[in-house]
This record gives sequence, structure tokens and C-alpha cells, in this order.
Amino acid sequence: DAGVIQSPRHEVTEMGQEVTLRCKPISGHNSLFWYRQTMMRGLELLIYFNNNVPIDDSGMPEDRFSAKMPNASFSTLKIQPSEPRDSAVYFCASSATRGTGALETQYFGPGTRLLVL
Amino acid sequence: AQSVSQHNHHVILSEAASLELGCNYSYGGTVNLFWYVQYPGQHLQLLLKYFSGDPLVKGIKGFEAEFIKSKFSFNLRKPSVQWSDTAEYFCAVNAKAAGNKLTFGGGTRVLVKP
Repeated sequence: DAGVIQSPRHEVTEMGQEVTLRCKPISGHNSLFWYRQTMMRGLELLIYFNNNVPIDDSGMPEDRFSAKMPNASFSTLKIQPSEPRDSAVYFCASSATRGTGALETQYFGPGTRLLVL
Repeated sequence: AQSVSQHNHHVILSEAASLELGCNYSYGGTVNLFWYVQYPGQHLQLLLKYFSGDPLVKGIKGFEAEFIKSKFSFNLRKPSVQWSDTAEYFCAVNAKAAGNKLTFGGGTRVLVKP
């Protein structure tokens, strides 16, 4: 079974450009999470979806960041315009949620290494 | 709000030494607990988890962790480390009242010298 798939694996862009990161969760998982990892701030939850609906976006840094999940098998994280301080590794994770809402294990994708010059 | 503390930021030890990484969380209700490992340049992988039952949990690669509810702790242990255990280790906690949200500790970088 394929794990969480992220693309691109590496992205180098110039300040001011739009960046779109993509994620395909594990089939059958109904929760999806976007994280950002930096040396300074560690691993931060940006936003998560349950059944394609954004549940908690309190970690999204500012209006330049947006995330969508148009269907159960695809999500995007967009940064517009990008800035050098957005350079980080962005991870997507997915999990299956039981009917009670309790958390199951999150499985992480390989990440997208973003460098904004 | 739930929070997770990993008190050791860096650990350096030699092969065959024993390893114990501390993890404390701040939430009084029912919790699910996880340890993830991130090898250099790779993504996070699950080492072990605790949902209920026996508080001593055994994971992959010889790791184990003990949930001590009275101490709000979930320390990770391995009796004899190998060079290949060099990685960053993250403790994570989900409070059931928080739904699907997982809170990670700051991570502990472990360097095993050959």
C-alpha cells in the first residue's frame, strides 16, 4: 500500500513567487495534516482537515498561506507570495479517525523541502 | 492547551550504551501517546504508541516506552543503542478532548558514536 505521497520533493523559488505543495493521503484515511519543520521552531502543525473540512487552522502563519482539500485523496498548501522565512520542510500526514473522533496513528509523507531565495 | 516537553535537546552516547529520553506532557485527561523517529534527511516514522492497556509499550527496533500516568510521563528507552539509531526523536501527545490534534515535543537529537 502506498504511503502518503507529496510533491514536489524539492522546490527552489524566488521571493514573491507562488508555491503550491501537494499531498495525497493514504487511501481510506479521513484526516489530513500539514506540518512545517524548521531548525528554529521544530515541528509545527499548520492546519488539519477531517473529512475534507478544515478543522483547525490556528497554526497557519498568516494570510499568505492557504490550504484546500477538494476531495478525500488530494490536498494543497499554497504560499502566495513566498518569502525567504518560509524556507522549511513541509510534511503532510494522514490518519484514520474512529467514529468517536479519537485519534489514530498519523502517517507522514516524505516532505517537501522548500527554499525561497 | 496540551503541551509536550522533551528536556534533552541533544544526547551523545556510544554504541551499546543504554538510552532513555524523557517526555512529559501537561494534560490531565485521557491521552494517546506516541514516539516518532526521524532519521537524517527522512520523514517521521512511528516507533511506538500507547492508547490503553499495558503501560509498558514495545515498539520497533528494540525501543520501548513506559506510560506513568501519575508523572504525566512517557519516557523512551533502548537498552543497547546502535550507530543506526542516530536520529531525532519526537514525543507526541493527543488529548482525546482535543480531537485529532497531535502536539509534538521539541525533539531530541541523538548521536550514537561508533
